[in-house]
Amino acid sequence: DAKTTQPNSMESNEEEPVHLPCNHSTISGTDYIHWYRQLPSQGPEYVIHGLTSNVNNRMASLAIAEDRKSSTLILHRATLRDAAVYYCILRDMGTSGSRLTFGEGTQLTVNP
Amino acid sequence: NAGVTQTPKFQVLKTGQSMTLQCAQDMNHEYMSWYRQDPGMGLRLIHYSVGAGITDQGEVPNGYNVSRSTTEDFPLRLLSAAPSQTSVYFCATLGAARYGYTFGSGTRLTVV
Repeated sequence: DAKTTQPNSMESNEEEPVHLPCNHSTISGTDYIHWYRQLPSQGPEYVIHGLTSNVNNRMASLAIAEDRKSSTLILHRATLRDAAVYYCILRDMGTSGSRLTFGEGTQLTVNP
Repeated sequence: NAGVTQTPKFQVLKTGQSMTLQCAQDMNHEYMSWYRQDPGMGLRLIHYSVGAGITDQGEVPNGYNVSRSTTEDFPLRLLSAAPSQTSVYFCATLGAARYGYTFGSGTRLTVV
Protein backbone atom coordinates (compact mmCIF):
# COMPACT_ATOMS: atom_id res chain seq x y z
CA ASP A 1 0.00 0.00 0.00
CA ALA A 2 1.20 3.50 -0.78
CA LYS A 3 2.29 5.37 2.32
CA THR A 4 1.11 8.73 3.67
CA THR A 5 3.02 11.17 5.85
CA GLN A 6 1.30 13.52 8.28
CA PRO A 7 2.54 15.79 11.07
CA ASN A 8 2.19 14.18 14.49
CA SER A 9 0.28 17.11 15.94
CA MET A 10 -1.24 20.47 15.11
CA GLU A 11 -2.91 23.17 17.13
CA SER A 12 -5.65 25.62 16.23
CA ASN A 13 -7.90 28.17 17.85
CA GLU A 14 -11.65 27.83 17.95
CA GLU A 15 -13.52 29.37 14.99
CA GLU A 16 -10.35 29.63 12.91
CA PRO A 17 -9.66 27.56 9.78
CA VAL A 18 -7.42 24.52 10.04
CA HIS A 19 -5.34 23.06 7.23
CA LEU A 20 -4.19 19.50 7.84
CA PRO A 21 -1.50 18.39 5.33
CA CYS A 22 -0.80 14.93 3.98
CA ASN A 23 2.02 13.82 1.69
CA HIS A 24 1.60 10.76 -0.51
CA SER A 25 4.36 10.88 -3.09
CA THR A 26 3.98 7.21 -4.13
CA ILE A 27 0.24 7.42 -4.82
CA SER A 28 -0.94 5.31 -7.75
CA GLY A 29 -3.44 6.34 -10.37
CA THR A 30 -6.25 4.26 -8.85
CA ASP A 31 -5.74 5.38 -5.24
CA TYR A 32 -8.41 7.57 -3.71
CA ILE A 33 -7.44 9.89 -0.86
CA HIS A 34 -9.59 9.30 2.20
CA TRP A 35 -9.74 11.16 5.49
CA TYR A 36 -11.08 9.76 8.72
CA ARG A 37 -11.04 11.22 12.19
CA GLN A 38 -11.17 9.60 15.59
CA LEU A 39 -12.58 11.48 18.56
CA PRO A 40 -11.43 10.39 22.03
CA SER A 41 -12.79 6.99 23.05
CA GLN A 42 -14.71 6.55 19.79
CA GLY A 43 -14.32 4.63 16.56
CA PRO A 44 -13.01 6.38 13.45
CA GLU A 45 -15.46 8.48 11.50
CA TYR A 46 -15.40 9.01 7.72
CA VAL A 47 -14.78 12.65 6.80
CA ILE A 48 -14.24 12.98 3.06
CA HIS A 49 -12.55 11.42 0.05
CA GLY A 50 -11.42 12.44 -3.43
CA LEU A 51 -9.47 11.34 -6.49
CA THR A 52 -8.26 14.36 -8.43
CA SER A 53 -10.62 17.29 -7.97
CA ASN A 54 -11.16 19.29 -4.82
CA VAL A 55 -14.14 18.09 -2.81
CA ASN A 56 -16.49 19.73 -0.34
CA ASN A 57 -19.03 18.30 2.07
CA ARG A 58 -20.76 19.41 5.23
CA MET A 59 -17.82 18.43 7.39
CA ALA A 60 -14.78 19.66 5.47
CA SER A 61 -13.05 20.39 2.18
CA LEU A 62 -10.33 18.37 0.53
CA ALA A 63 -7.76 20.12 -1.63
CA ILE A 64 -5.70 17.81 -3.85
CA ALA A 65 -2.47 18.92 -5.50
CA GLU A 66 -2.37 18.79 -9.26
CA ASP A 67 0.28 16.04 -9.22
CA ARG A 68 -1.71 14.22 -6.47
CA LYS A 69 1.42 13.81 -4.35
CA SER A 70 -0.11 15.78 -1.50
CA SER A 71 -3.48 16.87 -0.17
CA THR A 72 -4.91 19.11 2.53
CA LEU A 73 -7.97 18.62 4.68
CA ILE A 74 -9.56 21.96 5.47
CA LEU A 75 -11.84 22.57 8.44
CA HIS A 76 -13.31 25.98 7.74
CA ARG A 77 -14.15 26.96 11.33
CA ALA A 78 -12.70 24.70 13.99
CA THR A 79 -14.81 23.88 17.00
CA LEU A 80 -13.83 22.16 20.23
CA ARG A 81 -15.63 19.09 18.93
CA ASP A 82 -13.12 18.88 16.05
CA ALA A 83 -10.31 17.93 18.45
CA ALA A 84 -9.39 14.45 17.25
CA VAL A 85 -6.79 12.35 15.48
CA TYR A 86 -7.08 12.83 11.72
CA TYR A 87 -5.98 10.04 9.42
CA CYS A 88 -5.10 10.44 5.75
CA ILE A 89 -5.44 7.09 3.97
CA LEU A 90 -4.95 5.96 0.39
CA ARG A 91 -7.40 3.38 -0.82
CA ASP A 92 -7.81 1.65 -4.15
CA MET A 93 -11.60 1.62 -4.41
CA GLY A 94 -11.47 -0.71 -7.39
CA THR A 95 -10.14 -3.52 -5.21
CA SER A 96 -12.81 -5.77 -3.74
CA GLY A 97 -12.70 -5.65 0.03
CA SER A 98 -9.93 -3.08 -0.03
CA ARG A 99 -8.65 -2.37 3.42
CA LEU A 100 -7.88 0.84 5.24
CA THR A 101 -4.22 1.14 6.21
CA PHE A 102 -3.98 3.53 9.12
CA GLY A 103 -0.85 5.48 9.98
CA GLU A 104 -0.43 7.37 13.23
CA GLY A 105 -2.40 10.39 12.03
CA THR A 106 -2.33 14.01 13.19
CA GLN A 107 -3.54 14.88 16.67
CA LEU A 108 -5.47 18.15 16.34
CA THR A 109 -5.84 20.29 19.45
CA VAL A 110 -8.40 23.10 19.35
CA ASN A 111 -7.93 25.90 21.87
CA PRO A 112 -10.97 27.84 23.16
CA ASN B 1 -31.23 2.70 12.78
CA ALA B 2 -28.43 1.53 15.09
CA GLY B 3 -25.61 1.30 12.49
CA VAL B 4 -22.82 -0.90 13.85
CA THR B 5 -23.30 -2.34 17.34
CA GLN B 6 -20.43 -3.91 19.26
CA THR B 7 -20.78 -5.88 22.47
CA PRO B 8 -19.48 -5.94 25.09
CA LYS B 9 -18.02 -2.44 25.52
CA PHE B 10 -15.51 -3.61 28.13
CA GLN B 11 -14.11 -7.03 29.00
CA VAL B 12 -11.40 -8.39 31.26
CA LEU B 13 -10.11 -11.89 30.53
CA LYS B 14 -7.58 -14.13 32.15
CA THR B 15 -4.77 -15.54 30.05
CA GLY B 16 -5.95 -18.67 28.26
CA GLN B 17 -9.66 -17.87 28.38
CA SER B 18 -11.69 -17.68 25.20
CA MET B 19 -14.41 -15.25 24.27
CA THR B 20 -16.37 -13.84 21.36
CA LEU B 21 -16.67 -10.17 20.50
CA GLN B 22 -19.95 -9.44 18.78
CA CYS B 23 -20.54 -7.10 15.84
CA ALA B 24 -23.99 -6.54 14.36
CA GLN B 25 -25.09 -4.12 11.64
CA ASP B 26 -28.51 -3.15 10.31
CA MET B 27 -27.40 -1.36 7.12
CA ASN B 28 -27.28 -4.44 4.86
CA HIS B 29 -23.59 -3.81 4.21
CA GLU B 30 -21.81 -6.71 2.52
CA TYR B 31 -18.32 -5.85 3.72
CA MET B 32 -17.45 -6.23 7.41
CA SER B 33 -14.10 -6.16 9.13
CA TRP B 34 -12.34 -6.21 12.48
CA TYR B 35 -9.51 -3.87 13.51
CA ARG B 36 -7.48 -3.60 16.67
CA GLN B 37 -5.95 -0.41 18.03
CA ASP B 38 -3.09 -0.46 20.49
CA PRO B 39 -2.25 2.64 22.58
CA GLY B 40 -0.95 5.55 20.50
CA MET B 41 -1.16 3.62 17.26
CA GLY B 42 -3.35 3.48 14.21
CA LEU B 43 -5.77 0.63 13.55
CA ARG B 44 -4.62 -2.70 12.13
CA LEU B 45 -6.85 -5.09 10.18
CA ILE B 46 -7.44 -8.52 11.76
CA HIS B 47 -10.00 -10.25 9.51
CA TYR B 48 -12.57 -9.17 6.97
CA SER B 49 -15.54 -10.53 5.05
CA VAL B 50 -16.92 -9.49 1.67
CA GLY B 51 -20.21 -11.32 2.21
CA ALA B 52 -21.95 -14.14 4.04
CA GLY B 53 -19.86 -17.31 3.95
CA ILE B 54 -16.68 -15.52 2.85
CA THR B 55 -13.87 -14.45 5.19
CA ASP B 56 -10.20 -13.64 4.78
CA GLN B 57 -7.21 -12.67 6.85
CA GLY B 58 -5.95 -9.17 7.36
CA GLU B 59 -2.65 -7.87 8.66
CA VAL B 60 -2.70 -9.43 12.17
CA PRO B 61 -4.94 -12.55 12.12
CA ASN B 62 -3.05 -14.85 14.50
CA GLY B 63 -4.99 -15.82 17.61
CA TYR B 64 -8.36 -14.81 16.16
CA ASN B 65 -11.11 -16.63 14.26
CA VAL B 66 -14.10 -15.25 12.41
CA SER B 67 -17.16 -16.57 10.63
CA ARG B 68 -19.93 -14.90 8.64
CA SER B 69 -23.12 -16.91 8.56
CA THR B 70 -25.41 -13.90 8.02
CA THR B 71 -25.07 -10.47 6.44
CA GLU B 72 -25.81 -8.82 9.78
CA ASP B 73 -23.31 -10.48 12.13
CA PHE B 74 -19.54 -10.86 12.14
CA PRO B 75 -18.26 -12.25 15.46
CA LEU B 76 -14.57 -12.27 16.39
CA ARG B 77 -13.36 -15.17 18.51
CA LEU B 78 -10.30 -15.15 20.71
CA LEU B 79 -9.30 -18.78 21.06
CA SER B 80 -6.87 -18.52 24.00
CA ALA B 81 -6.43 -14.97 25.20
CA ALA B 82 -2.92 -13.59 25.69
CA PRO B 83 -1.79 -10.29 27.26
CA SER B 84 -0.60 -9.20 23.80
CA GLN B 85 -4.25 -9.14 22.75
CA THR B 86 -5.03 -6.34 25.18
CA SER B 87 -6.37 -3.69 22.85
CA VAL B 88 -9.43 -1.82 21.64
CA TYR B 89 -11.29 -3.71 18.94
CA PHE B 90 -13.35 -2.00 16.27
CA CYS B 91 -15.80 -3.49 13.81
CA ALA B 92 -16.22 -1.62 10.52
CA THR B 93 -18.63 -2.07 7.62
CA LEU B 94 -18.74 -0.81 4.04
CA GLY B 95 -21.80 -0.39 1.87
CA ALA B 96 -22.31 -0.87 -1.83
CA ALA B 97 -21.41 2.77 -2.54
CA ARG B 98 -17.98 1.88 -1.11
CA TYR B 99 -17.28 5.36 0.10
CA GLY B 100 -16.94 5.63 3.84
CA TYR B 101 -16.59 2.85 6.35
CA THR B 102 -18.90 2.88 9.36
CA PHE B 103 -17.17 1.96 12.60
CA GLY B 104 -18.63 0.67 15.82
CA SER B 105 -17.82 2.30 19.14
CA GLY B 106 -15.32 -0.40 20.07
CA THR B 107 -14.70 -3.10 22.67
CA ARG B 108 -11.95 -2.42 25.18
CA LEU B 109 -10.35 -5.77 26.07
CA THR B 110 -7.82 -6.34 28.83
CA VAL B 111 -6.09 -9.71 29.23
CA VAL B 112 -4.42 -10.27 32.58
